[in-house]
Amino acid sequence: GAGVSQSPRYKVAKRGQDVALRCDPISGHVSLFWYQQALGQGPEFLTYFQNEAQLDKSGLPSDRFFAERPEGSVSTLKIQRTQQEDSAVYLCASSTSSGGAYNEQFFGPGTRLTVL
Amino acid sequence: GNSVTQMEGPVTLSEEAFLTINCTYTATGYPSLFWYVQYPGEGLQLLLKATKADDKGSNKGFEATYRKETTSFHLEKGSVQVSDSAVYFCALLSYNTDKLIFGTGTRLQVFP
Repeated sequence: GAGVSQSPRYKVAKRGQDVALRCDPISGHVSLFWYQQALGQGPEFLTYFQNEAQLDKSGLPSDRFFAERPEGSVSTLKIQRTQQEDSAVYLCASSTSSGGAYNEQFFGPGTRLTVL
Repeated sequence: GNSVTQMEGPVTLSEEAFLTINCTYTATGYPSLFWYVQYPGEGLQLLLKATKADDKGSNKGFEATYRKETTSFHLEKGSVQVSDSAVYFCALLSYNTDKLIFGTGTRLQVFP
């Protein structure tokens, strides 16, 4: 079956441009997560959805970052006025439901964003 | 706050050598602990997990035991293969949240 997919896989933006990153979770997965992985670092949590509700956005680094999941399936992470420090791999993960360790998070391949 | 510390890499081994990658954590309450693996060009995959103290997670010959007294979850494998070359991430999940907290990752390179 299909896993989590993300598009585009690579994105190059000029500083100040807006970007939109898409995540298609595994069909039927209730929970969706976004993480940011800087070069040589582990992923860091950005935000979490349960269906269409954004339950936790404590990891979003600034108000330039915005995520949505309007119909409870596909999600978009938008970054406005990109800065060089936004350069990273953005990972999306989904799981069958909330409930912590008993619901494995399945990760997509990531979108590598480079801001020039 | 909650955090994970793992040994820096790269770890370079010959095929069939014994592997240990150290991981320690700081957390309130009773977290669940995970090892994820990232093979070249691929996404993160769950390797193994343990949800309570003294649990041992195991998969593909890898093992890790949840040690509450030492706040550790070290990854071990008795005989590594070239195909095990990847980046390994230790992570925790607090009992009252769904967000994973990752270590910085350890790159393993296995040579024939």
